[in-house]
Amino acid sequence: DIQMTQSPSAMSASVGDRVTITCRASQGISNFLAWFQQRPGKVPERLIYASSSLESGVPSRFSGSGSGTEFTLTISSLQPEDFATYYCLQHKSYPHTFGQGTKVEIK
Amino acid sequence: EVQLVQSGAEVKKPGESLTVSCKGSGYSFTNYWIGWVRQMPGKGLEWMGIIYPGDSDTRYSPSFQGQVTISADKSIDTAYLQWSSLKASDTAMYYCARQGDYTTDLGYWGQGTLVTVSS
Repeated sequence: DIQMTQSPSAMSASVGDRVTITCRASQGISNFLAWFQQRPGKVPERLIYASSSLESGVPSRFSGSGSGTEFTLTISSLQPEDFATYYCLQHKSYPHTFGQGTKVEIK
Repeated sequence: EVQLVQSGAEVKKPGESLTVSCKGSGYSFTNYWIGWVRQMPGKGLEWMGIIYPGDSDTRYSPSFQGQVTISADKSIDTAYLQWSSLKASDTAMYYCARQGDYTTDLGYWGQGTLVTVSS
């Protein structure tokens, strides 16, 4: 199975900060990576697909990059509604696997 | 509009059986993979397995193989997640999710079904 390791597992940040979350795959997955946001008590929502494509309706302050084994999700200027948990998902091979999540909290 | 509507919350006792459903609408049900994701209380997302309703091709995570059964009835556009004998450790929120329009990840999600197993 492909293991996905996210870092950090949690972070504190302020409104307006630039935030970067990393996901590393245990083997190459090309660009078969998606990012999801889950606010407390809510359904996960896809933000990014194919490593860097922005989901329709998602603010442009979110961006994704990477290929192979290393990927990043960047929030260019953190907004109050962005405080949530973020997950990566590899879908290159079965079983698909999520990272363990990164909780972004208010500083 | 793509929609996935899951069945309601369940409270069960250990050893009981359970089926959770996920009805798709707004798209051709047989042409897109539908997956299931577990989220235990306070924990992260876990990919359980996936089914292609067109031919019932099903893939499981090793962690869930033999623990649950994923199926689909394409005549009524519905996917299922089944347990034959629940354990307290099955207490979790379960989400169904459909692959994206052009990708094989999970682009559309159901609202979730909370399963509570307690004696």
